[in-house]
Order: sequence, then structure tokens, then C-alpha cells
Amino acid sequence: QQPVQSPQAVILREGEDAVINCSSSKALYSVHWYRQKHGEAPVFLMILLKGGEQKGHEKISASFNEKKQQSSLYLTASQLSYSGTYFCGTEEYRGGKLIFGQGTELSVKP
Amino acid sequence: ETGVTQSPTHLIKTRGQQVTLRCSSQSGHNTVSWYQQALGQGPQFIFQYYREEENGRGNFPPRFSGLQFPNYSSELNVNALELDDSALYLCASSSPIAGPLGSYNEQFFGPGTRLTVL
Repeated sequence: QQPVQSPQAVILREGEDAVINCSSSKALYSVHWYRQKHGEAPVFLMILLKGGEQKGHEKISASFNEKKQQSSLYLTASQLSYSGTYFCGTEEYRGGKLIFGQGTELSVKP
Repeated sequence: ETGVTQSPTHLIKTRGQQVTLRCSSQSGHNTVSWYQQALGQGPQFIFQYYREEENGRGNFPPRFSGLQFPNYSSELNVNALELDDSALYLCASSSPIAGPLGSYNEQFFGPGTRLTVL
């Protein structure tokens, strides 16, 4: 079942912070976060396994609440380059298929 | 180290035709996953190949089939094309990585093939 992301879209001014949430109804092994710019391939940002963050990226961090099967992506001091659509992908077991949410469109304005 | 490449970049077909899309995985990666991404949607998992064997399949009909070759490159074949098959087709390659919390697969995506079915 597809994870649910919120918000669907967010507009920021440069330097502002944002939080994107991803929620699943299934028990998860991992949550993956990607950013996709228009017309380009998704770019890997972060993966979280049960127990904590596995890998980070620049000023972007994330958390994974295993009890609630929820993950949040935190973008601090946003830059223009952060604009794009953010997807979470969830994995129920290692090596299993990655199920993506519907995406959160982030626009950072000067 | 070369990244994931896909060919062709764009393709136009008519309903009922067949299409083959190709993907070269990143050096050292033995797993390839294929995704379909409709406009404004997240990628949808089609199937995954690990060491030339299908290793999981999403909710796609049998007319979507694939292959993985000994060099780990892969093909996606779609028969009897329908209008709804119009989408961006992405492949992603990966290999298991051992981390302190467990092993995981970091997937690297190719640029995609834009398929239009008329």
C-alpha cells in the first residue's frame, strides 16, 4: 500500500525550514527519501532503517518513528537548489520492492 | 565509475505495438529495478532483477516482462501497448550495503525513457 505524504505542496522563502512527512499503514524495514527535479531522475537523499538514520545529506536530516511507521524529512535553511518534488519510498523487508508516496512539491523562492 | 544509463530517451509508439527499453546498471551493482512514473505521480514498482532472476513484481500485467543479462544490464519489454502505458520508465540499480544498523540497498536511478503511446 502506498505511503501517504504531507503536505502535497509547500512554498518557502530562501533560508526558511520545512518538514515533509511520510506515513505508512504497514510495518517497515526502511524509508528512502528522494528528490526529483522536473524532467530529471530521482536523486537519492537519505535512507532510514529501524533504529535510526543510516545516511544523511547536506543540511537535510530525517527521522523514523518505528512505532507509528512515520518518517519526517527536515530541510533547514533552504536554498533555491532544494526546489523539486520529494518522494518517500518504503520497504517492508530488506531487498523488497520500494513503494513510493505521491510526492511533495517544494518551491523555494528568493 | 559510470552511472545508470537508459535508452532510448524518448519513444513514440502506437497502440498494440511492442517496445523494448534498455538499462545499463552502475558498475558493481547486481540488482536492477524498473519503475513506471505517470505525470504528477510517484514511481510505481514494476519488477526487480537480482543476478538475472526476477526478484519481486509489482501490480503490473504479464505483458510487462523483463530480462537481466550476465553483465547486469536489463531490458523491459511491454507488449500490446495501451494508451495508459504512456509514462516515464525509470530503472534503478543497486547492490546490498552493510551498515551498522543492517544492510540496505541504495538505489541509483537512470534518466528514464519517456514513452508516448498514440
